[in-house]
Amino acid sequence: EVQLVESGGGLVQPGGSLRLSCAASGFTFSSYSMNWVRQAPGKGLEWVSYISSSSSTIFYADSVKGRFTISRDNAKNSLYLQMNSLRAEDTAVYYCASHSSSWRFDCWGQGTLVTVSS
Amino acid sequence: QSALTQPASVSGSPGQSITISCTGTNSDVGSYNLVSWYQQHPGKAPKLVIYEVSKRPSGVSNRFSGSKSGNTASLTISGLQAEDEADYYCCSYADSSTHVLFGGGTKLTVL
Repeated sequence: EVQLVESGGGLVQPGGSLRLSCAASGFTFSSYSMNWVRQAPGKGLEWVSYISSSSSTIFYADSVKGRFTISRDNAKNSLYLQMNSLRAEDTAVYYCASHSSSWRFDCWGQGTLVTVSS
Repeated sequence: QSALTQPASVSGSPGQSITISCTGTNSDVGSYNLVSWYQQHPGKAPKLVIYEVSKRPSGVSNRFSGSKSGNTASLTISGLQAEDEADYYCCSYADSSTHVLFGGGTKLTVL
């Protein structure tokens, strides 16, 4: 069974940092590109970042460029999102999602909540 | 680029059909057949129900169908069932700088 499990969310002050993790199982993680997608409370989905299977290609949404860093460790079947200089508007549930060709997100984790507040 | 435009809400009775529209621009929906749709029940993760405009993933009911005309994509759910009540989001590849856009979401109510 394909499974994605996010962790690392929590309460952080504005300007602070947080590192999210996503543990993958049930599929060949090293063969798949991955994404982070977030959802502010009561709001819609927003794509955050993409990383190719080999980490050779990385994209960011303009809203997080320069502050967030996506990475992966294929040996550990894990995806990461390092979030720095956090702002109140970064408050959201963060989902990791597997990526297939045609820019579709096949499988999603259950999400981890990040709250940026003083 | 702005998010794709969806109606905030739609409703229908059991057994009826509903259609949710998703309007973009020549830079996203209109230029690529890379539109996908996601169903999200309250407190749950999104689930892919349509990809590449009209293809259904394995396991998704054939009551779900998708189409596109110009800059507008559509999701149709036929034979509405109570379990279809959820939020629905469209998504499109945009371009090499924006990459991905989601719609604002549509709340489907089954009366």
